[in-house]
Amino acid sequence: GDSVTQMEGPVTLSEEAFLTINCTYTATGYPSLFWYVQYPGEGLQLLLKATKADDKGSNKGFEATYRKETTSFHLEKGSVQVSDSAVYFCALRDAGGTSYGKLTFGQGTILTVHP
Amino acid sequence: GAGVSQTPSNKVTEKGKYVELRCDPISGHTALYWYRQSLGQGPEFLIYFQGTGAADDSGLPNDRFFAVRPEGSVSTLKIQRTERGDSAVYLCASSLGGTDEAFFGQGTRLTVV
Repeated sequence: GDSVTQMEGPVTLSEEAFLTINCTYTATGYPSLFWYVQYPGEGLQLLLKATKADDKGSNKGFEATYRKETTSFHLEKGSVQVSDSAVYFCALRDAGGTSYGKLTFGQGTILTVHP
Repeated sequence: GAGVSQTPSNKVTEKGKYVELRCDPISGHTALYWYRQSLGQGPEFLIYFQGTGAADDSGLPNDRFFAVRPEGSVSTLKIQRTERGDSAVYLCASSLGGTDEAFFGQGTRLTVV
């Protein structure tokens, strides 16, 4: 079945540091890939997405590139801010044989950014 | 309202009791999903509604769990004979159609004591 594996957390960085959160996936079809973010006290929000191989999703300075050859979708940001402190979830939606948006999530990575 | 609303935000119940969790999706969204998030884990799919019907309930863990969406809008997740292992955050999400962006509520934190 489908699965998503994220790097172990938590991740603690100083402000303006470079961020990478690794994500790899297993899927039977041709999935769309997502990063969701959960800020303290808030619900899950879509951060960015990519729907096919070599697509790059970007939002709020975050980027992730859909790498089919390595089945990866690593999240990166060049300079993190304290306000980026949150839990980040990688997820996939397998379009193969389905016609709806069921998501499979990774376990989440807690990011804490210190001033 | 503007977003997906879930009530209650917190629910504490005794083992063996029955609970209902409510989800108000964004107006006009035909697709509705329930997920369960245990501590330190990502959300796990429970059930998907398209309109009034449950199109996929393969994620429901056992027959103590049931969900309805009688008028194609509000949905209720029902858990019978609750167990301590049911303690988790239950998330609801809705989308315009099956493959459109899903918007999540803030969840109901269920604690079974």
